[in-house]
Amino acid sequence: QSVLTQPPSVSAAPGQKVTISCSGGSSNIGKNFVSWYQQLPGTAPKLLIYDTSKRPSGIPDRFSGSKSDTSATLGITGLQTGDEADYYCGTWDNSLSAVVFGGGTKVTVL
Amino acid sequence: QVQLHESGPGLVKPSGTLSLTCAVSGGSISSSNWWSWVRQPPGKGLEWIGEIYLRGTTNYNPSLKSRVTISLDKSKNQFSLNLSSVTAADTAVYYCVKVGGNWGFDPWGQGTLVTVSS
Repeated sequence: QSVLTQPPSVSAAPGQKVTISCSGGSSNIGKNFVSWYQQLPGTAPKLLIYDTSKRPSGIPDRFSGSKSDTSATLGITGLQTGDEADYYCGTWDNSLSAVVFGGGTKVTVL
Repeated sequence: QVQLHESGPGLVKPSGTLSLTCAVSGGSISSSNWWSWVRQPPGKGLEWIGEIYLRGTTNYNPSLKSRVTISLDKSKNQFSLNLSSVTAADTAVYYCVKVGGNWGFDPWGQGTLVTVSS
């Protein structure tokens, strides 16, 4: 059981938008910044969003992050076949004194 | 651009110790204050193992704390992971990562699969 809860899968047609939720609590998302990672099949995860809503250089603005209270959201607009991957949220948990991740969400482009 | 590369045995016997090294290239290990290890069992999600500060301070996942040691060697530009008393549940791809501000992990090593089996 992951400390952060994500939906197992989301899907949409090319060009559409998807959102991935990441639900936590007051000791993690409620007090800390959130990061998002994209893991393409057979590869290592890659940082997609840091500090809840910032994009590293090279990450297109089709990817966005936000947070409200104890939940965070990753948005992907203009969905492309190359976006098919597993997406993970992560943050620090003050109670556990540990980094915690969500269980991951598989994005499928229909 | 810093690159990370994990190395170590791909097969470890049950009750043995898993030992991995992460070589930092393209820059100094002193370019970041914190370095970390993350693992991913086959077909499953990510699990944070722990982190080490340049001056040697460590933080470990409470679920693994009794078995984990992370160390750092500035002279060799590398850091290492030791996980003792391993079982089949420790079979996973192990990644080393550079920790940015607010625990944004970037970049990641390519990962190395470690199988625990007799």
